[in-house]
Amino acid sequence: AQTVTQSQPEMSVQEAETVTLSCTYDTSENNYYLFWYKQPPSRQMILVIRQEAYKQQNATENRFSVNFQKAAKSFSLKISDSQLGDTAMYFCAFILLPGGAQKLVFGQGTRLTINP
Amino acid sequence: KAGVTQTPRYLIKTRGQQVTLSCSPISGHRSVSWYQQTPGQGLQFLFEYFSETQRNKGNFPGRFSGRQFSNSRSEMNVSTLELGDSALYLCASSLQGASNQPQHFGDGTRLSIL
Repeated sequence: AQTVTQSQPEMSVQEAETVTLSCTYDTSENNYYLFWYKQPPSRQMILVIRQEAYKQQNATENRFSVNFQKAAKSFSLKISDSQLGDTAMYFCAFILLPGGAQKLVFGQGTRLTINP
Repeated sequence: KAGVTQTPRYLIKTRGQQVTLSCSPISGHRSVSWYQQTPGQGLQFLFEYFSETQRNKGNFPGRFSGRQFSNSRSEMNVSTLELGDSALYLCASSLQGASNQPQHFGDGTRLSIL
C-alpha cells in the first residue's frame, strides 16, 4: 500500500519569506506522479504543482518549486516570496501509473499561515 | 469554462437517514472521483466513475455507493447515516481519467450528522 506522510502539521512565516513544506512517501512501484494541492478556507482543492517520477528535473511553477529525491522518497515544496494569499492547507498526494485509475493518496496536510 | 459543481454546499441529516450528493464535472470530462475529508482520517478516496462504470473503489462500507449518468454527472449516496459520516465530501473530475491527468476539484459538500 502507498502512504504519504507530512510531518509538519502547522507552519507560519512572514510575508515575502521562503518556506519549505516536507513530504515523504512510501511505495514499491517505480512509475507514479506526485502532487501538491492547496486548500484555502474556501475549501476548493487547487493543484499547485506536479512531478513525474521518471523525470529527474524538479518541477517549478512561478514561485513554487519542488525538491524531488526519488531514492529518499522525498518530495518537498518550496514557496518563494510568500504572499498572504498562500495561506492555506497544503496536501502532498501520490498517484500510481499506469492503470487509468484516478485514486489519489493524500498526506494529512500542513496548515501554512503567512503573516503580514 | 465552468468548474466542477457540487450540490448542495451544506447538508444536515440525522442518524439512520440517507443522503444523495451531486457532482457535475467540467464540460468534456468523463472521469469523476469522490473523496471524504475528515479531521481524523484526512482525505480518503471513495470511488471513481468513468463512462458510467465504477472503475475503482476505496475501503468504505457498502453504505457508500455512487453512480454516473450518460452526461458524466455523478451522484453519491450514503445510507443509514452514522455520526462518523460527518465530513466534507469532495468530487473531482478529469478529462479521460488517466492517472497522469490532473484532477479538478469542486468546493465540496459539508455533511453534518446529528
